Amino acid sequence: NAGVTQTPKFRVLKTGQSMTLLCAQDMNHEYMYWYRQDPGMGLRLIHYSVGEGTTAKGEVPDGYNVSRLKKQNFLLGLESAAPSQTSVYFCASSYLPGVVNEQFFGPGTRLTVL
Amino acid sequence: KQEVTQIPAALSVPEGENLVLNCSFTDSAIYNLQWFRQDPGKGLTSLLLIQSSQREQTSGRLNASLDKSSGRSTLYIAASQPGDSATYLCAVWDNYGQNFVFGPGTRLSVLP
Repeated sequence: NAGVTQTPKFRVLKTGQSMTLLCAQDMNHEYMYWYRQDPGMGLRLIHYSVGEGTTAKGEVPDGYNVSRLKKQNFLLGLESAAPSQTSVYFCASSYLPGVVNEQFFGPGTRLTVL
Repeated sequence: KQEVTQIPAALSVPEGENLVLNCSFTDSAIYNLQWFRQDPGKGLTSLLLIQSSQREQTSGRLNASLDKSSGRSTLYIAASQPGDSATYLCAVWDNYGQNFVFGPGTRLSVLP
C-alpha cells in the first residue's frame, strides 16, 4: 500500500495563477482532509470530505476549492493564487468503517506564490 | 469550540532522560486522541492512537495516557535518544465538529 500520496511535491506560482493539488489514498478511507501548515500557526484545516461526492469547509477555506469525485482522490484548487497562500499543504485520510478512526498523512506539498 | 494546547512549546533534554509531553483539550466529548511526530520538512507520522474508552496505549519506548474527564493526555518517552528529536503533535477527533483538532506541537531536542 502506498498510503497517502500527494502531487506535486513542490510548486512555485506567480500571483493570480491557478493550480490543483492532488491527493490519493489506497486505504479505502471515507474521510479526507486538506490542511495548511505555517510557521507559528500549526496545522489548520482548509476543507474536508466525509465521503465520495461530499465536501465541507474547515477553518480557513477562503481562496480554495475542493472536489471528491472519486473516493480515493481529493483535489485542492487555487483559482487565483496569492502570496498569503504560500505554505506547506498536507493531505490526510481516515475512517475505515468498523476500524478505529486513525488519521494518516501524505508527505506534503511545498507551495510558494511570488 | 474545541481547543487543544500543548505544553511545553519546546523542550531540550540530555540523551537517556525520561520525559513527558502534555496535551490538553477543552471539550471532553472526543472520539479519540492521536499523537504524531513531525521531522523538519516532513509529513506527520502517527505514533499512538487512544480511543475515548481507553486509558493508555504503548508502543516501544512510548506510552500515551488519556484522562477524558480532565481533558488531558500525556506522551511519555523513556530513555530518550537523539533520534527522538522532532516536533510532537496531538490531535483529538471532536465529536461535534466531526473533525480532528490539532495542538500547536512540542519541539523536542535530545542532546547527545
